[in-house]
Amino acid sequence: DAGVTQSPTHLIKTRGQQVTLRCSPKSGHDTVSWYQQALGQGPQFIFQYYEEEERQRGNFPDRFSGHQFPNYSSELNVNALLLGDSALYLCASSLSVGGPYNEQFFGPGTRLTVL
Amino acid sequence: GDSVTQMEGPVTLSEEAFLTINCTYTATGYPSLFWYVQYPGEGLQLLLKATKADDKGSNKGFEATYRKETTSFHLEKGSVQVSDSAVYFCALSERGGATNKLIFGTGTLLAVQP
Repeated sequence: DAGVTQSPTHLIKTRGQQVTLRCSPKSGHDTVSWYQQALGQGPQFIFQYYEEEERQRGNFPDRFSGHQFPNYSSELNVNALLLGDSALYLCASSLSVGGPYNEQFFGPGTRLTVL
Repeated sequence: GDSVTQMEGPVTLSEEAFLTINCTYTATGYPSLFWYVQYPGEGLQLLLKATKADDKGSNKGFEATYRKETTSFHLEKGSVQVSDSAVYFCALSERGGATNKLIFGTGTLLAVQP
């Protein structure tokens, strides 16, 4: 049973460009969350998707947007990249049923470097 | 808003030493508490969790007790191994919130020397 997978593993972009990161949830999971982890910091919640809708959003600008597909996979898009967007982007999946205690399973992350 | 504070690292220990990593939280509600571990080059793995006061989470020799009176969830292990070297994150999730989003501390690097 495959866990959470993310692609690509690493990405290098320049300021002002746009980037798309992809995530496939663990088999059977229907909810996907995205987190940004800057170097030396804890992950920060960006947003969560369920039933193809954004369910909750953290304190991130509109340059960060997402999408969830009918097969529950998800994309994170970042427009007009800034140097400060350089970070490890983590995707986590979980089951919506059962309330807020459901464990989130994390992928290995995508390392984004903005030059 | 809700937040998590954990002791700064790095924490450097010799093999078989006792480990404590302190974690305190601030929450308006009654959160669930977690410890996650991140090995080099990998994503986060759930180490243990506790969902109510006085609950003790445990896994792989690690333990943490949910202390509501001191708003703490300190991680302990009686005898660390070199393989325990990693970054440890304390986190909380709001009960009754719209989602199960996690709020993390800044992480504590543990380095265990042979």
